[in-house]
Amino acid sequence: DVKVTQSSRYLVKRTGEKVFLECVQDMDHENMFWYRQDPGLGLRLIYFSYDVKMKEKGDIPEGYSVSREKKERFSLILESASTNQTSMYLCASSPRGGRQQYFGPGTRLTVT
Amino acid sequence: KNQVEQSPQSLIILEGKNCTLQCNYTVSPFSNLRWYKQDTGRGPVSLTIMTFSENTKSNGRYTATLDADTKQSSLHITASQLSDSASYICVVRGDYKLSFGAGTTVTVRA
Repeated sequence: DVKVTQSSRYLVKRTGEKVFLECVQDMDHENMFWYRQDPGLGLRLIYFSYDVKMKEKGDIPEGYSVSREKKERFSLILESASTNQTSMYLCASSPRGGRQQYFGPGTRLTVT
Repeated sequence: KNQVEQSPQSLIILEGKNCTLQCNYTVSPFSNLRWYKQDTGRGPVSLTIMTFSENTKSNGRYTATLDADTKQSSLHITASQLSDSASYICVVRGDYKLSFGAGTTVTVRA
């Protein structure tokens, strides 16, 4: 079974803090993705990576950065958290050319 | 404007009843369409995937249909169970990009 894990299920941070969200997959997938999910908007792609040290902007990259130093790990970084970044963050992975993405359980981030 | 529209936004049904969820899309070119189920507090899990040539696909009590001409898909839940309470998300793949619907929240009551 594919397993995608995220470092925290719930996180509360203050405005201006630097926030790290970690995602690890154990199936040697090349592709990894970070989404945020907000009511009424569905999932929106923030960043994705097709290989180690490679990253591409998604639809809403502003205010975020990512790091992929190892194949199994993809980190999302909020350099200076703001209240409009309060959301559910979902990580996903897929094999190269694979049609299906496998999602982690999500991290619900609240910025106060 | 979102390229994938789902309806209704939410619905409540009694246990044992059937329901149908709708997904209309404008994504072009079209590669495939997938329905995901997302339990509260969990990540989405794939239910079905359909390509251009497939009209119907079933996964247990879930049956998805696709009309690629009208760009419409539906997900039918038969004999609903309490465990069907979840959000159902329609995802359409174009050339290389996924477009997500906002989801339909289904609540099954005893």
